[in-house]
Amino acid sequence: ETGVTQTPRHLVMGMTNKKSLKCEQHLGHNAMYWYKQSAKKPLELMFVYSLEERVENNSVPSRFSPECPNSSHLFLHLHTLQPEDSALYLCASSQPGTSREQFFGPGTRLTVL
Amino acid sequence: DQQVKQNSPSLSVQEGRISILNCDYTNSMFDYFLWYKKYPAEGPTFLISISSIKDKNEDGRFTVFLNKSAKHLSLHIVPSQPGDSAVYFCAVPSNTGKLIFGQGTTLQVKP
Repeated sequence: ETGVTQTPRHLVMGMTNKKSLKCEQHLGHNAMYWYKQSAKKPLELMFVYSLEERVENNSVPSRFSPECPNSSHLFLHLHTLQPEDSALYLCASSQPGTSREQFFGPGTRLTVL
Repeated sequence: DQQVKQNSPSLSVQEGRISILNCDYTNSMFDYFLWYKKYPAEGPTFLISISSIKDKNEDGRFTVFLNKSAKHLSLHIVPSQPGDSAVYFCAVPSNTGKLIFGQGTTLQVKP
C-alpha cells in the first residue's frame, strides 16, 4: 500500500471515552503532521513531528496527545473530548528540504457525543 | 488575523468555461505558494505550486498566477470539467514547515 493511510475513517465517541487515531505513511518521509478541519474553517495545524521529535504544538488542548514512535507512524490519542472537537482530523507527511508539498491521508471523521 | 484568505466561499461555472479561484496573503516574506484540491471524504491533494521568483506556472489545464505587489495569487482552470468540482485551498509553508491554509473555495462545474 502506498501513500498516507488513516484509521479509522469514522469514529463516534462519548466525552468520557479514550480512543486513538492512527496514521501511517509509506512514502519514506521524515516529517508528519496532524491537522484539524472544522466546518467552515481553514485547516488548522495541530502538531508537527520531524525525525520523530515534536517540533511544533499549535496551542492544542492536552486532551489531544500525539505520539510518533517512528518516522512512518503517527498517533493522536484522544481523552475526555468535547462536542466541539468533532471535526475531520487529517494526517500529512512531507520530506523537508526536497519539497514543500505535503501529502495528506483521507482523514478521520470524528463525532463527539 | 488570517495570513491567507480566500474571500469567495463558492464558485459555480459552466463546463468548458474558465474557473478563477483567488487567494490573498498578508506576509510579503512568503516565498512559495501551493494549491490543494479536496474531494468530500478524501484528504487534500496537491495540485500546483509557484515560487515567488515567478509570476506564472502552468500545468496542463491549471495555471497559477502570482502578483507579489498585490499579495494575490489566482488559480485558473481552463477548460473547466465537472470532475474539477471540489474544494480548493491555497496554502503557504511557514519556516517551520507547517502549511497555512486559506478557508477554501468550493467550485462547482455544471455540465
